[in-house]
Amino acid sequence: RKEVEQDPGPFNVPEGATVAFNCTYSNSASQSFFWYRQDCRKEPKLLMSVYSSGNEDGRFTAQLNRASQYISLLIRDSKLSDSATYLCVVNIPIQGAQKLVFGQGTRLTINP
Amino acid sequence: EPEVTQTPSHQVTQMGQEVILRCVPISNHLYFYWYRQILGQKVEFLVSFYNNEISEKSEIFDDQFSVERPDGSNFTLKIRSTKLEDSAMYFCASSVLAAGQLFFGEGSRLTVL
Repeated sequence: RKEVEQDPGPFNVPEGATVAFNCTYSNSASQSFFWYRQDCRKEPKLLMSVYSSGNEDGRFTAQLNRASQYISLLIRDSKLSDSATYLCVVNIPIQGAQKLVFGQGTRLTINP
Repeated sequence: EPEVTQTPSHQVTQMGQEVILRCVPISNHLYFYWYRQILGQKVEFLVSFYNNEISEKSEIFDDQFSVERPDGSNFTLKIRSTKLEDSAMYFCASSVLAAGQLFFGEGSRLTVL
């Protein structure tokens, strides 16, 4: 099983729609979870951290399900500017060290 | 707003040549990372660095790769003898905490001919 796995998409949705992505992780000891956004040929930028109780930032809602080892991202009222690749990032603890591992990303295109 | 800076933004090199990619992490950050992204593929972890030593490295980070923090500000990635498959975007990142939010530089695009 991959350390972090996402549906690569692409997702093509109309402007104003609600879209949701899931991401699964394999290491039950993982404690830190993030969603990053990456525009074409640019660096990843933090969209939001994911907290145990779930969290919301405007049109974006992140959820964590530890039992099933997945995190989700919901985008409401999608805008054209939301078109990007969304990257799930999970920490993998390794004998006192940590590494943050990226999923392969889910490509989203919002259509006018 | 403080940011991670990387140089060069683009480097073209011949196969077998040595390349050094430079990064200046955010000044109060303690953890430093290199990631790479081959065009069209995922962002892959290469190495993490803390307290002047490597804390974790991936299978990609073989003997051809090395990292260094030669002074209090720079963090470098050296590829000793580049191969065609080293062509990628290399991202430097830093964080305050061990598994905390990563702040990325804009990347260095390496093209090996």
